[in-house]
Amino acid sequence: GAGVSQSPRYKVAKRGQDVALRCDPISGHVSLFWYQQALGQGPEFLTYFQNEAQLDKSGLPSDRFFAERPEGSVSTLKIQRTQQEDSAVYLCASSLEGSRPSGANVLTFGAGSRLTVL
Amino acid sequence: DAKTTQPTSMDCAEGRAANLPCNHSTISGNEYVYWYRQIHSQGPQYIIHGLKNNETNEMASLIITEDRKSSTLILPHATLRDTAVYYCIVRRQGGSEKLVFGKGTKLTVNP
Repeated sequence: GAGVSQSPRYKVAKRGQDVALRCDPISGHVSLFWYQQALGQGPEFLTYFQNEAQLDKSGLPSDRFFAERPEGSVSTLKIQRTQQEDSAVYLCASSLEGSRPSGANVLTFGAGSRLTVL
Repeated sequence: DAKTTQPTSMDCAEGRAANLPCNHSTISGNEYVYWYRQIHSQGPQYIIHGLKNNETNEMASLIITEDRKSSTLILPHATLRDTAVYYCIVRRQGGSEKLVFGKGTKLTVNP
């Protein structure tokens, strides 16, 4: 597609429910990122994939958060037993290249999935 | 990656140039300066990046001081659609692929 597509755009969950958020990156993009953005804050890094390999998951806040990209394209961010503090916008981004010594790293972001946990 | 400091908010009149400053006094020689912006209810959008030379594209100009400790993003003729949060990010060459966002500058373009 022309851009990064995320679904659902809005999700309301009851505390304790599991949720799954989907990201369709730009076709052919090697790198995929997930960010969490709380209200009024900048995006916070969660995890990074290069193709199907999850190379960095240092930002995942707890073991309730799990991300996968099994075929190196579509990715799913799963949150188990949701808590109110999980309420945020979850942003997905992709970039064409993997690690490049030139350093240029232009990310294209999706519009995000807004999760509200009641 | 080096930290950046930006003003919390700025105002600009429509049609005038918007000059957004960023301090990155601890930047290293192999670190790039990136600018992204985030319009309300959208994901961040790439604007421009540079290493040490000034850069210009169809969206903006990036002026980096000679000592590279600060930079300015210039929107030459701001429109109401340029109202957004602007993020200045420093990223090390060949380092972690992730971009580390701060709180950015909320730019309001007024009619």
